[in-house]
Amino acid sequence: KQEVTQIPAALSVPEGENLVLNCSFTDSAIYNLQWFRQDPGKGLTSLLLIQSSQREQTSGRLNASLDKSSGRSTLYIAASQPGDSATYLCAVNAGNNRKLIWGLGTSLAVNP
Amino acid sequence: DGGITQSPKYLFRKEGQNVTLSCEQNLNHDAMYWYRQDPGQGLRLIYYSQIVNDFQKGDIAEGYSVSREKKESFPLTVTSAQKNPTAFYLCASSIGRDAQFFGPGTRLTVL
Repeated sequence: KQEVTQIPAALSVPEGENLVLNCSFTDSAIYNLQWFRQDPGKGLTSLLLIQSSQREQTSGRLNASLDKSSGRSTLYIAASQPGDSATYLCAVNAGNNRKLIWGLGTSLAVNP
Repeated sequence: DGGITQSPKYLFRKEGQNVTLSCEQNLNHDAMYWYRQDPGQGLRLIYYSQIVNDFQKGDIAEGYSVSREKKESFPLTVTSAQKNPTAFYLCASSIGRDAQFFGPGTRLTVL
């Protein structure tokens, strides 16, 4: 059974720091992996999608990597800003259906 | 602007009432999904639909019902059989197994 874990559960950093959020999954047979951002009381914003055949995807200050063999994905945020404060969720699409398996998220606080 | 809309933003339900949450998308996506989010838990899939007039149960379908009569609409009814409906409800859509895009959510509270 596929399980997704995100560590740490919470992270607090000073503004300007580069940081890495981690996402681990137990079964390497995935179709794709998606990173999301959620602000308090809001819906989810899709950040990056990595297909199983890809190693990384980049969007602005964000870079997501995928290592299927080790069951890991990382989300790298460069030069963090207070506006990056949010909960970051990863989700894995595996199997023969469209269900996503979700991590519990990392709550990020970037302090000015 | 293309996107997903959910209404209402806040909804209050009395004991024994059925309530319907609206989800509309103009992205021309074929698949739509309903999730429930509770504090300290990951998102849980309630129902999903891959094409019009077809839908499948997710992991926690009991006490919920859906319909998919139009490609752009996927309403969710929370019935009185759902014993603990207070939660944040999120609707999403996608093209096939590509990225899922989410609406702003509806917060349902039982009075």
